[in-house]
Amino acid sequence: DGGITQSPKYLFRKEGQNVTLSCEQNLNHDAMYWYRQDPGQGLRLIYYSQIVNDFQKGDIAEGYSVSREKKESFPLTVTSAQKNPTAFYLCASSPPGPRTDTQYFGPGTRLTVL
Amino acid sequence: QKEVEQNSGPLSVPEGAIASLNCTYSDRVSQSFFWYRQYSGKSPELIMSIYSNGDKEDGRFTAQLNKASQYVSLLIRDSQPSDSATYLCAVIRHSPGGSYIPTFGRGTSLIVHP
Repeated sequence: DGGITQSPKYLFRKEGQNVTLSCEQNLNHDAMYWYRQDPGQGLRLIYYSQIVNDFQKGDIAEGYSVSREKKESFPLTVTSAQKNPTAFYLCASSPPGPRTDTQYFGPGTRLTVL
Repeated sequence: QKEVEQNSGPLSVPEGAIASLNCTYSDRVSQSFFWYRQYSGKSPELIMSIYSNGDKEDGRFTAQLNKASQYVSLLIRDSQPSDSATYLCAVIRHSPGGSYIPTFGRGTSLIVHP
C-alpha cells in the first residue's frame, strides 16, 4: 500500500530529553513538510524539504531539527531547547509534476511532555 | 507575516442546508488555494483545490476564489452530520526558487445537526 506513515502514534517524553518523530512515504513524493498543531490552532510550519539533502526552516523552527538523507524519509527531532513541545505533529508530502503544491498528510504523532 | 484568517465558529447548520465557510488571506502573490477537512484527533484530508477566480464544483462541494478581494470560500450543499468537522483553508505561495510555502488558517468548526 502506498502512503505516508508516522510513528509512533503517541509519544511521551520527559523534560530535557530529545525525541525523534518518524515520517516515511512510499509515494515517490519529492517535497515533505513538518507541521505542529496546538488545540484550537491551525497548522504551523516547522521545516520543509523540496529535495534530498536540502531543507528549509519554516515559521517555528527553533528547538527542532530535521534531516533528509533519503527521499522517502524526513525525521523530525524535538530537542530540549523546544520549551513547549506538547502538540500534535503532522508530516505531509507533495507529488512531483503539476500538482506539486498539493499536500497529503500522514496520520500524525501526538507528543506529550511529562 | 503572511496570514490566513478564518472564523473559528462553530458554524451550526441543519441537515440538508448549505454550509458556507470563508477564508481571507493577506499575501497577494498567493497562487494556490486548498480546503482540508479535519475530524477531531485525525489528520487533515484534502477536499479540493482552486487556482483561478470563480467557482469550482466537486460533488456537494463548491470552492469560490476572488483574488482581487483576497477571499476564498467553500460551500457544502445538502450538509450531512458526517460533514461535522473542522475545515482548514490553506494558501500556497510559490517562491522564485521553486518552493511552495504553505500557510494554514486556524480552521472553522462545522456542526451539522439532524
